[in-house]
Amino acid sequence: AQTVTQSQPEMSVQEAETVTLSCTYDTSESDYYLFWYKQPPSRQMILVIRQEAYKQQNATENRFSVNFQKAAKSFSLKISDSQLGDAAMYFCAYRTSGGSNYKLTFGKGTLLTVNP
Amino acid sequence: DAGVIQSPRHEVTEMGQEVTLRCKPISGHDYLFWYRQTMMRGLELLIYFNNNVPIDDSGMPEDRFSAKMPNASFSTLKIQPSEPRDSAVYFCASSPGRWTATTYEQYFGPGTRLTVT
Repeated sequence: AQTVTQSQPEMSVQEAETVTLSCTYDTSESDYYLFWYKQPPSRQMILVIRQEAYKQQNATENRFSVNFQKAAKSFSLKISDSQLGDAAMYFCAYRTSGGSNYKLTFGKGTLLTVNP
Repeated sequence: DAGVIQSPRHEVTEMGQEVTLRCKPISGHDYLFWYRQTMMRGLELLIYFNNNVPIDDSGMPEDRFSAKMPNASFSTLKIQPSEPRDSAVYFCASSPGRWTATTYEQYFGPGTRLTVT
């Protein structure tokens, strides 16, 4: 079974600075999808960024980018120019691309605090 | 699009009572998922449907939990009888069908916070 590990329960960053959240996963599959979700205090789960395993290029969405290291099974999220609104719990998630299994497996999350 | 709609947003009930959580997926989405979030176990998938048919219910904790999807625009998650350990946030999510550019993305509702006393 696939597992997702977020080793940093909490992180903090100064406003306008850059922060990197770590995620590692364990799988025997070669093709899959990886995601970062943001959960602010409102508890709404918001998709931040996605990465297809077959793509070598790292995904980027505005101030959010990932460092995808397939061989190392690592998928970190970099937030540049951090804003107060970035404060939230961040979850890394994995989904297989094969068959009909659409299940998302989540890490335990990293709580990000942004200091003004 | 209104996004995934869940009701109620908050539910407080007494142990032993029946609880029904409701979800309306995004129109046109073929997949619907029910997740539970607790401090101890994090986010875990309970069950998911494809075209109203349950595909994987291996995450349903026990027989007290049941889920239905009578049509493409409505699903329920029922707990009967409820217990204090069922207290959690329950999320519904939906995903487009196959052969779309975003078929692998899941869009979450706002969740229902359930408290069983």
